[in-house]
Amino acid sequence: DAGVTQSPTHLIKTRGQQVTLRCSPKSGHDTVSWYQQALGQGPQFIFQYYEEEERQRGNFPDRFSGHQFPNYSSELNVNALLLGDSALYLCASSYRENTEAFFGQGTRLTVV
Amino acid sequence: QKEVEQNSGPLSVPEGAIASLNCTYSDRGSQSFFWYRQYSGKSPELIMSIYSNGDKEDGRFTAQLNKASQYVSLLIRDSQPSDSATYLCAVNMGLRGFKTIFGAGTRLFVKA
Repeated sequence: DAGVTQSPTHLIKTRGQQVTLRCSPKSGHDTVSWYQQALGQGPQFIFQYYEEEERQRGNFPDRFSGHQFPNYSSELNVNALLLGDSALYLCASSYRENTEAFFGQGTRLTVV
Repeated sequence: QKEVEQNSGPLSVPEGAIASLNCTYSDRGSQSFFWYRQYSGKSPELIMSIYSNGDKEDGRFTAQLNKASQYVSLLIRDSQPSDSATYLCAVNMGLRGFKTIFGAGTRLFVKA
């Protein structure tokens, strides 16, 4: 049973560029949440997708956008990258709301 | 006031002792609570979930929830050096609990 998978694992981008990160949820899961984790901090909630719609959003600017596909996989897009966007980006999947969420291995994004 | 607060530590305990990790949260309407363990350079790993007041035990781990006091704790019995990690408290908040908010985590060191 495949767990949550994210790609790529590492990424280096230049300030001002755009990036797309991908997530495949655990088998049987239909809800995907994205988090940003800076060094030494807890994961910060970006948004959650369910039934291909953004269901809830954290305090992130519109430069952060997402999408969920019919097969429940999801993408996180970040436009106009800033140095401060350098972080570990985590995807977590769950079945419906308020249930246990499982994380992928994360994508380490470095903006230079 | 932070939405989810944890003592950042580090908390240092000898091998075989009980480690006690605490967490408070701000949203009185929260219904779902989780503890994750995160090793350095890795993604968070779910340890336990708890939804009702009282204690929930799973092996060496016991989660305790007191909604009236807005307090969640995790006890680790017979602590092992392999338990050395950062422990993250997570609480579902927002409209219908779709937003999971993490604390900054408590670093635990178990000395052999």
